[in-house]
Amino acid sequence: DVKVTQSSRYLVKRTGEKVFLECVQDMDHENMFWYRQDPGLGLRLIYFSYDVKMKEKGDIPEGYSVSREKKERFSLILESASTNQTSMYLCASSDRGQPQHFGDGTRLSIL
Amino acid sequence: QKEVEQNSGPLSVPEGAIASLNCTYSDRGSQSFFWYRQYSGKSPELIMSIYSNGDKEDGRFTAQLNKASQYVSLLIRDSQPSDSATYLCAVIRRGGADGLTFGKGTHLIIQP
Repeated sequence: DVKVTQSSRYLVKRTGEKVFLECVQDMDHENMFWYRQDPGLGLRLIYFSYDVKMKEKGDIPEGYSVSREKKERFSLILESASTNQTSMYLCASSDRGQPQHFGDGTRLSIL
Repeated sequence: QKEVEQNSGPLSVPEGAIASLNCTYSDRGSQSFFWYRQYSGKSPELIMSIYSNGDKEDGRFTAQLNKASQYVSLLIRDSQPSDSATYLCAVIRRGGADGLTFGKGTHLIIQP
């Protein structure tokens, strides 16, 4: 079975902090993705990567950056956290054109 | 126009009946379609994928795709209370590496 592991289930940070969310997959998938999920807005794509050191903006990249130094690891960075970034963050991975498999999610609160 | 649309529900179905969930999408170039199930507080779980017109069956689940009408559906036969969840329709808008575009989900309630 595909295993996508997110480093934290719950995280509380303060406004202005730099926040790192980590994601690791064990299936040698090419593609990795970061989404956020908010009530009434559904799942929205922040960034994705289709290869090491490659990244593409999704639908809502503002305020975020990403890093993919190794194939199995994809990090989401909030450069200066703000309260409107309080959300559930979901990482996913897949091979090209194949279904995505999600991690358990990180519920991030920015105070 | 929203890219992937679903009725938010709640859709209430008696136990043992067929639950029918519908989804429409706007991008005619879409080629890959998925249904995910999400329990409250959990992450989405893939339950069906479909790539060509017609029906695809897996156990109690049947996915139906009609590209001409830009319509995807999910049928759940012999509905069980454990099927109560939010069902997300997802589409890959262009081939390959692009992320999924999700509908906002349909909340399904199976009444015992």
